[in-house]
Amino acid sequence: EDQVTQSPEALRLQEGESSSLNCSYTVSGLRGLFWYRQDPGKGPEFLFTLYSAGEEKEKERLKATLTKKESFLHITAPKPEDSATYLCAVLGSSNTGKLIFGQGTTLQVKP
Amino acid sequence: DVKVTQSSRYLVKRTGEKVFLECVQDMDHENMFWYRQDPGLGLRLIYFSYDVKMKEKGDIPEGYSVSREKKERFSLILESASTNQTSMYLCASSLTAGDYGYTFGSGTRLTVV
Repeated sequence: EDQVTQSPEALRLQEGESSSLNCSYTVSGLRGLFWYRQDPGKGPEFLFTLYSAGEEKEKERLKATLTKKESFLHITAPKPEDSATYLCAVLGSSNTGKLIFGQGTTLQVKP
Repeated sequence: DVKVTQSSRYLVKRTGEKVFLECVQDMDHENMFWYRQDPGLGLRLIYFSYDVKMKEKGDIPEGYSVSREKKERFSLILESASTNQTSMYLCASSLTAGDYGYTFGSGTRLTVV
């Protein structure tokens, strides 16, 4: 069964304190791994898609990386506006069109 | 940009009422999904649809039904609303194979009193 586990559940950082969020997955035939950002009371917004091990994507202070078992979302010198819940999801070959989501990591960045 | 529009941001309904949540997407996506999101439980799939007039049960379909009469519109129906259906409801759409992920709507916060 395809599964996604995110850690930690919650993370508090000081502004400027870099860190990483983890997304561990088991999936039959990874077709894509997705990162989303969700602000309170809103729908998730797309951040990145990674398709194969070794791939990296960057956007402002965020960098996503992928191995065969996990993905990391690295946050460099975060700012308070980076506070949000970050969701990871995978698409496997046995779940055509249907993403499997992790529980999310809630990040709080204090000024 | 793909847009997924949910008809209401906030909704308050009484126990026993029949509730309709509407979702419309404008990019000709084949797949549409309804999730509910609760603290500590993450996103849970209620129903999804791969094509017009087609529907598949997700992980928690009890108490819900759906309708997809047109490709761009996917409606979630609470047949008889109960307080345990108070939640954030999220609609999403994607292309057939899902390789580009989902586009989500902004969500409907439903409160059943």
